[in-house]
Amino acid sequence: AQRVTQPEKLLSVFKGAPVELKCNYSYSGSPELFWYVQYSRQRLQLLLRHISRESIKGFTADLNKGETSFHLKKPFAQEEDSAMYYCAPRGRLAFGKGNQVVVIP
Amino acid sequence: GAGVSQSPRYKVAKRGQDVALRCDPISGHVSLFWYQQALGQGPEFLTYFQNEAQLDKSGLPSDRFFAERPEGSVSTLKIQRTQQEDSAVYLCASSTWGNSGANVLTFGAGSRLTVL
Repeated sequence: AQRVTQPEKLLSVFKGAPVELKCNYSYSGSPELFWYVQYSRQRLQLLLRHISRESIKGFTADLNKGETSFHLKKPFAQEEDSAMYYCAPRGRLAFGKGNQVVVIP
Repeated sequence: GAGVSQSPRYKVAKRGQDVALRCDPISGHVSLFWYQQALGQGPEFLTYFQNEAQLDKSGLPSDRFFAERPEGSVSTLKIQRTQQEDSAVYLCASSTWGNSGANVLTFGAGSRLTVL
């Protein structure tokens, strides 16, 4: 079964501080992972996927097979980053419970 | 249309009523997913279609839940004899499915069901 775990429900950070959202996975086969984001009153949308190895809105995520992790990072949080973030594997996209990020001005 | 369209956006039902929720995916998208998102929770998988075939319905919580996609485009999620625990936002998402598609989902705005 493809599972992801996001251990922290709520993360509060000050504007300009680094933010890291943890995601660990248990996966049979080659993992393929995504981060989705849901801003207030907006649709759930793709933030980034590990195969593209790109930075979106300053966020990056590296797949670490040794640690079975796909943590999401941003060096300097902005107020507009306040949202719910979900880690998900490919397939049925069994979403984790999500991280609520609150950026304090 | 340009995106995934869901209707109705809001539905209030009395306990025991049947409801039907509609999803119009992006034209040409092969895969269609339904999720249930309770307040404060992440989306929970309900069912998945590839074209008209329902390949996975393991997430449907009971036999009161039924989904169809008869022509491989529009899908309907039907809930019979609604219960209060069915109150949630029901999300529909669609995607292409190809070697490079990587199962990126485009979500609708959701249908918020409140069962009184």
